[in-house]
Amino acid sequence: QQQVKQSPQSLIVQKGGIPIINCAYENTAFDYFPWYQQFPGKGPALLIAIRPDVSEKKEGRFTISFNKSAKQFSLHIMDSQPGDSATYFCAARNDYKLSFGAGTTVTVRA
Amino acid sequence: GAVVSQHPSWVICKSGTSVKIECRSLDFQATTMFWYRQFPKQSLMLMATSNEGSKATYEQGVEKDKFLINHASLTLSTLTVTSAHPEDSSFYICSAGGLNSPLHFGNGTRLTVT
Repeated sequence: QQQVKQSPQSLIVQKGGIPIINCAYENTAFDYFPWYQQFPGKGPALLIAIRPDVSEKKEGRFTISFNKSAKQFSLHIMDSQPGDSATYFCAARNDYKLSFGAGTTVTVRA
Repeated sequence: GAVVSQHPSWVICKSGTSVKIECRSLDFQATTMFWYRQFPKQSLMLMATSNEGSKATYEQGVEKDKFLINHASLTLSTLTVTSAHPEDSSFYICSAGGLNSPLHFGNGTRLTVT
């Protein structure tokens, strides 16, 4: 079964908009939560990651919000650009292993 | 930053033959590497955990004899798809990292079995 639930499956925004992707988990043993960006035919590239003792982390235009009590975390892409159009995966790590969400295809229209 | 190199990036083989895919960590030593499989428009599915100097650990439902993994050094793991069939056609991706460092992924290998 999917240990990390990701939504929405896809979303479309205009350039400059803020796509928001949400993930939820149950396993409290997860200790590290990365987000990956994947372009067609390429491997996933690490975007940003957070540990459960932090509620928010920003790197450039990407922000993770983390709610430990609700076991939810989300990715915000500020000032989105057409080049951000890709599939985004949230993940959670336990004992070296990563469990991935189902992925969200983001399309940013010019 | 850490780089994981995967080779080949794509391969076409005939049914019944075997194919080897290499995964290298270029600027760090990886005692553990992971092999994933990804079908079109789907998420990554962990196939196995490759441990340097010991046997790989396979996820439930993954055939050990079909997907042979060798992790002979701290920078190289290989996945061999034996007696390939068309249903083995997929995108195979490796990753490497440590407990205190993020997992980085290779660029994947597109396998097509005809």
